[in-house]
Amino acid sequence: AQSVTQLGSHVSVSEGALVLLRCNYSSSVPPYLFWYVQYPNQGLQLLLKYTSAATLVKGINGFEAEFKKSETSFHLTKPSAHMSDAAEYFCAVSPQYGNKLVFGAGTILRVKS
Amino acid sequence: SAVISQKPSRDICQRGTSLTIQCQVDSQVTMMFWYRQQPGQSLTLIATANQGSEATYESGFVIDKFPISRPNLTFSTLTVSNMSPEDSSIYLCSVDGRYGYTFGSGTRLTVV
Repeated sequence: AQSVTQLGSHVSVSEGALVLLRCNYSSSVPPYLFWYVQYPNQGLQLLLKYTSAATLVKGINGFEAEFKKSETSFHLTKPSAHMSDAAEYFCAVSPQYGNKLVFGAGTILRVKS
Repeated sequence: SAVISQKPSRDICQRGTSLTIQCQVDSQVTMMFWYRQQPGQSLTLIATANQGSEATYESGFVIDKFPISRPNLTFSTLTVSNMSPEDSSIYLCSVDGRYGYTFGSGTRLTVV
């Protein structure tokens, strides 16, 4: 069975600082991995996805994530945080495309001015 | 990517009543997924709905409580039946697409 662990339910960074949100997965097969963002009172927006192509995946809003099979990780990064990045971020895994998503618990990102 | 119209966006319901949530997709999709997001928590899959067959429910969810319809490849409904305050959550539908899974904007349900 697939599972996702997001380390840190809350992360706080200063505006302009590096954003690092951690995600580790467990999967018996090569997984598909996703990062979603949820702004207050809104639905989920796809940031980026890994589907067994390039291990470094670039997404929207300056975010990127690197798939590291040896570490079973898919951490999300952004070089410089902006106030508008404040939101909740979810990492998700699927054993194959078209199958259900299993979500991590989420990480709330706070950006301080 | 697919665009999903989900309604209602929110509702306040009396306990013991039922609410039907609708999701309309702008393209044909094979599978639709229904998730629940309880307050302050992550998303949990309720069921997977394929057109022309019974929905497949995850552990802890049953058809009598969450009946699902999937009459065609662009539409699905989820009903929350005999509601109690514990059903207060955000319910979201989702579809798989070429560029990733797309989600509806969610239905924020409050049961009083």
